[in-house]
Amino acid sequence: QVQLVQSGAEVKKPGASVKVSCKASGYRFTSHGISWVRQAPGQGLEWMGWISTYNEKTDFAQKFQGRVSMSTDTSTSTVYLELRSLRSDDTAVYYCARDCDVTSCFDFWGQGSLVTVSS
Amino acid sequence: DIQMTQSPSTLSASVGDRVTITCRASQSINEWLAWYQQKPGKAPKLLIYKASSLETGVPARFSGSGSGTDFTLTISRLQPDDFATYYCHHQWTFGQGTRVEL
Repeated sequence: QVQLVQSGAEVKKPGASVKVSCKASGYRFTSHGISWVRQAPGQGLEWMGWISTYNEKTDFAQKFQGRVSMSTDTSTSTVYLELRSLRSDDTAVYYCARDCDVTSCFDFWGQGSLVTVSS
Repeated sequence: DIQMTQSPSTLSASVGDRVTITCRASQSINEWLAWYQQKPGKAPKLLIYKASSLETGVPARFSGSGSGTDFTLTISRLQPDDFATYYCHHQWTFGQGTRVEL
């Protein structure tokens, strides 16, 4: 069965960087792109960006340009999100989500990784 | 950028009610709309894709309709497990969410 398993919670100081992982299993890794979506406490869902697991092409939300990077490791079927220059308002649960087969949606989600930014 | 506007933001309902949530796009998105359900502390779950297609395993009391700019998610008879927050989604934009509460 399809699973996306994310790394654990992190606590970071303002200005630091965080790297979150998302390990995929149960399907051919390179057949579906992965998006990262975050959710601040009590808030809605915010799309951060997308990476092709086939050729590592990326597309980032303008809000995160210059602060975010995404990468893949096909040998371990893992996708990574790195966010730099962390601020307190980056405190959120970060989700990875798999692209649907043929349409604009996300059919499987990771369990979420809480990133807390605090001095 | 296309904006997605959901309404209402909160909806009070009872078990057995018929519930409708609307989502409006700032420009035509054809049928490229999905709906998710999210419960506290959990990841969102895909309910509907391509505006009206029911995801495998989702109960038939959930249905979606619409095209162009106006879309609806309907729960025909609300069950206790349906109290949650619902989001519409197109490409890189989510609606603000609708909390369905008792």
